[in-house]
Amino acid sequence: EAGVAQSPRYKIIEKRQSVAFWCNPISGHATLYWYQQILGQGPKLLIQFQNNGVVDDSQLPKDRFSAERLKGVDSTLKIQPAKLEDSAVYLCASSSSGTDLYNEQFFGPGTRLTVL
Amino acid sequence: AQSVTQPDIHITVSEGASLELRCNYSYGATPYLFWYVQSPGQGLQLLLKYFSGDTLVQGIKGFEAEFKRSQSSFNLRKPSVHWSDAAEYFCAVGRDNNDMRFGAGTRLTVKP
Repeated sequence: EAGVAQSPRYKIIEKRQSVAFWCNPISGHATLYWYQQILGQGPKLLIQFQNNGVVDDSQLPKDRFSAERLKGVDSTLKIQPAKLEDSAVYLCASSSSGTDLYNEQFFGPGTRLTVL
Repeated sequence: AQSVTQPDIHITVSEGASLELRCNYSYGATPYLFWYVQSPGQGLQLLLKYFSGDTLVQGIKGFEAEFKRSQSSFNLRKPSVHWSDAAEYFCAVGRDNNDMRFGAGTRLTVKP
């Protein structure tokens, strides 16, 4: 079974530029998550989708971050404009259904963003 | 407020030695508890989880963890460490997938 795919793996931009990350979850997984992992910290949930609807985006900085999952499969996370403090690894994860913790989250390798 | 503390930022052990990684949590209700491992360039992989029942939980790769309610702890153990265990380990707590809190992680180095 193919895992969660993310691209690009690395991205370097200057502050105030925009950037987008792409995630392809495991086939058939209805739930998709985006996490931000700042160096020296654990992952922090940014947004959770159930199919193409948002379940929770309470920790997403909506003034600059946006995410979509138009057809309930792939997802993109965008930052516009980027700030220095956005430098982090952005992890995508997916799980088979619902918000129940019995459904294990499977993580992609992440995209490492450096904002200069 | 819920939180997870991993007191050790970095631990070094010799190959073949035993390992214990500490995790303490603060949570208002009975939590679900998790340990994940992150190898360089890889995503997080679930090692084990505790929901209820037996407080000693067995996981993959020979790891186990013990839930101690009185100490608010969920320490990860392995009796004999292999060089391939070198990675970052994260403890997490939560009741829902959108309610999970991760610790800051413990980096494990394995000496030959």
